[in-house]
Amino acid sequence: AQKITQTQPGMFVQEKEAVTLDCTYDTSDPSYGLFWYKQPSSGEMIFLIYQGSYDQQNATEGRYSLNFQKARKSANLVISASQLGDSAMYFCAMREGRGNNRLAFGKGNQVVVIP
Amino acid sequence: GAGVSQSPSNKVTEKGKDVELRCDPISGHTALYWYRQSLGQGLEFLIYFQGNSAPDKSGLPSDRFSAERTGGSVSTLTIQRTQQEDSAVYLCASSSEIRGGRRGDTQYFGPGTRLTVL
Repeated sequence: AQKITQTQPGMFVQEKEAVTLDCTYDTSDPSYGLFWYKQPSSGEMIFLIYQGSYDQQNATEGRYSLNFQKARKSANLVISASQLGDSAMYFCAMREGRGNNRLAFGKGNQVVVIP
Repeated sequence: GAGVSQSPSNKVTEKGKDVELRCDPISGHTALYWYRQSLGQGLEFLIYFQGNSAPDKSGLPSDRFSAERTGGSVSTLTIQRTQQEDSAVYLCASSSEIRGGRRGDTQYFGPGTRLTVL
């Protein structure tokens, strides 16, 4: 079964607008961590934001925020005030449990920011 | 440098040859991971090293794949008798294994090695 689901097709976003990238996850473990990574055309995976399953508040990192809805098992990434440099693939990933450190990744969302 | 480094950045080899891919983690990080990214399979976990513990090899796709980590730092991923389906980008990541806080046990990735098997 797929652990992380990212099903949105490629998105075009106007510069300076906000964009929301959907991510749903599947786990029965009460302890897990959720991560978002950005992968520009250069190929490097860049860490953006982290949300722990026990965190009471939604995570924020600069222009990135995570809309964490635990009951719905969703962890959507919100990018505010999009910039041309935000054009990239965005991956949602999950680490399950306390003894398991591997990340399970979704298929990714392609975002293109247009001026 | 401060980040994870990998070499070579690109490797083209012939089917049946062996290849070695190198990863140098962030200084002080005790955990090291290898992943593979291909068009058909997306990002897949391969192997994980943590300190002196036995590595988690559960993601290695076949016995042609092996990895070692010397001195708790540099790691080498070896693929023997390469096949065309091994063509992919091989990504290495490291983490400090400190749970909790704003960044949890975040894995930081290197630039990857693009392997092409002809």
